[in-house]
Amino acid sequence: DSGVTQTPKHLITATGQRVTLRCSPRSGDLSVYWYQQSLDQGLQFLIQYYNGEERAKGNILERFSAQQFPDLHSELNLSSLELGDSALYFCASSGSNRPYEQYFGPGTRLTVT
Amino acid sequence: EDKVVQSPLSLVVHEGDTVTLNCSYEVTNFRSLLWYKQEKKAPTFLFMLTSSGIEKKSGRLSSILDKKELFSILNITATQTGDSAVYLCAVGKGETSGSRLTFGEGTQLTVNP
Repeated sequence: DSGVTQTPKHLITATGQRVTLRCSPRSGDLSVYWYQQSLDQGLQFLIQYYNGEERAKGNILERFSAQQFPDLHSELNLSSLELGDSALYFCASSGSNRPYEQYFGPGTRLTVT
Repeated sequence: EDKVVQSPLSLVVHEGDTVTLNCSYEVTNFRSLLWYKQEKKAPTFLFMLTSSGIEKKSGRLSSILDKKELFSILNITATQTGDSAVYLCAVGKGETSGSRLTFGEGTQLTVNP
């Protein structure tokens, strides 16, 4: 158990819908990262937040957005869902002194039908 | 464009064998290289290497980084069926902001009894 929690574990929804994925980092970690893992693309970085502020952005679609709240939990919002958005979405967190040592949550499996 | 290439993509061995997994990278402003083990769900952190030539060991697993030749290897000795997993290599690069990881495709290791 990494100490990173994610909800829900599974999500099945229809095309065009909007969903919210939630993540709580390890105690004391200020950075939260979101990654997408699909069969054909591997693990891809989406976005990083540090202490409530956006720190880095990857190839995140405009339909996707995220935020980090004062209690440091983070939410990833996916809208106008397409079949191709079906994937595993991981949240990871790291501490300030070792930012690259990232610990992953159990993931949310999103299925868009 | 940053690249992380792992080889082989898959490997089947018998219990007790020793395996070597490879990871080469091309990234600007390299900071660290990490190895993760991914079984059914979340990647689990194994090692982080930042200095060249330093070997990290944990039980039967060890890893070394060659910053001059831009590669790393992960060795597993006396393999067990529980070592069966996808092993992911990731590289962290220094940026003006952010500490994203770029992942390779992974090596699928299967250890047969």
